[in-house]
Order: sequence, then structure tokens, then C-alpha cells
Amino acid sequence: NAGVIQTPRHKVTGKGQEATLWCEPISGHSAVFWYRQTIVQGLEFLTYFRNQAPIDDSGMPKERFSAQMPNQSHSTLKIQSTQPQDSAVYLCASREARGNTEVFFGKGTRLTVV
Amino acid sequence: AQKVTQTQTSISVMEKTTVTMDCVYETQDSSYFLFWYKQTASGEIVFLIRQDSYKKENATVGHYSLNFQKPKSSIGLIITATQIEDSAVYFCAMREAITGNTGKLIFGLGTTLQVQP
Repeated sequence: NAGVIQTPRHKVTGKGQEATLWCEPISGHSAVFWYRQTIVQGLEFLTYFRNQAPIDDSGMPKERFSAQMPNQSHSTLKIQSTQPQDSAVYLCASREARGNTEVFFGKGTRLTVV
Repeated sequence: AQKVTQTQTSISVMEKTTVTMDCVYETQDSSYFLFWYKQTASGEIVFLIRQDSYKKENATVGHYSLNFQKPKSSIGLIITATQIEDSAVYFCAMREAITGNTGKLIFGLGTTLQVQP
């Protein structure tokens, strides 16, 4: 079990460019989450998929951010027209279908917008 | 709305002592799950221990245990016989089981623990 895999681990983009972050959840996990971590805001929930279907995107900024889960083995988080305030560590997590189980986090992608 | 508050920003203790980290939460649900996670210096976030709201007995895993006080909406993490490698940031988190049941975890801002030799 390789755990939740996130690529790339580090990404530097210029202001206004697009950034795509990738996540491979643990095999067999049907729930996939994206979080953003900053010093000021801490760990913020962004969005959640269950069995590939979007369930809750209440934490996603309404503009420029989008997430997809085209198959059970990967999810992407896309940020269009990146801004310096998008700089953060983006974390993907997954868990089993049972609601009381813990989530397992990937090692994150550190996005820096210059 | 659900909220998790960790009032202790940082704690420093001597090795082999016991430390307690505080966490209080807010929820409208009668059923919920509480978690503690640890983030190491490398940034990796690791699950430590869980308490289900309907369970009266405090959870224990290794040298981690919980002090669950439901009437006070409090879930403290107790680490006994602390080791240098316990130095990390500790996050408390909650997931509601009923309202919306989206499964998302809401985190506190974390407590930095430094264990001194």
C-alpha cells in the first residue's frame, strides 16, 4: 500500500498561469477529499468526492478552482489564472466508505505562485 | 455550523513526561466522530486516534489516549511517556455523522508540541 500519492510534490507557477494537481487515492477507498493548508487558515476543506461523484464543494473558491474525479484511481484539482494568495500546500486524502473511518493524507503538493 | 478550537498554540515538555492537549468543538449533530492527527516536520499528516460520540469509554491507542467530556464538548489528547519523536503539530478534527453527512473533516488550527531531552 503506497498510500495516497500526490504529484507533483512542488510546483511553481507564474501569476496568471494554470496549475493542475494530481491525486491517486488508496486503492479501494471510495471517498476522496482535497484540503488546502496555509499558516494563517490552517487546514481548509475544499471538496469531496464519493464513488467519483462530487458530493460537497462548499470549500472551493467559486472562481478559478475546479476538481474532477474521472475514475476511481485519480482526482485532479485545477487552478486557473493562479494568484499569489493561492500559494499553499494542497492535500489530498481518502478513506473507506464507512463513515467512521479515518482519512489518510497524501504528502501534499506545495504550490508557489510567483 | 461545526467548529473545532485548539486554544494552545504551543507546548513544551520534558521527555518521558505526560502532556495533555486541549480541543473543544461545536456541532448541532447528536452523532459525530472526533479525530486527532499529527503532522511531522516533513509535513506528513498521520492519524493517531479516534473517538465516536456515542461511545462513553475513552479511546486508547499505544501511548495516546483521549479525555472525552461530551457535556463540555471537549476531546483532549493525552500523550504519556513522551519521546523526542513526538515533537510535531497535533490537530484535532471532527466529522458530523448526520447533518449533510458529507464526511468532511473540520480541523482545529493545531498545537505545536516540543519534547525536550
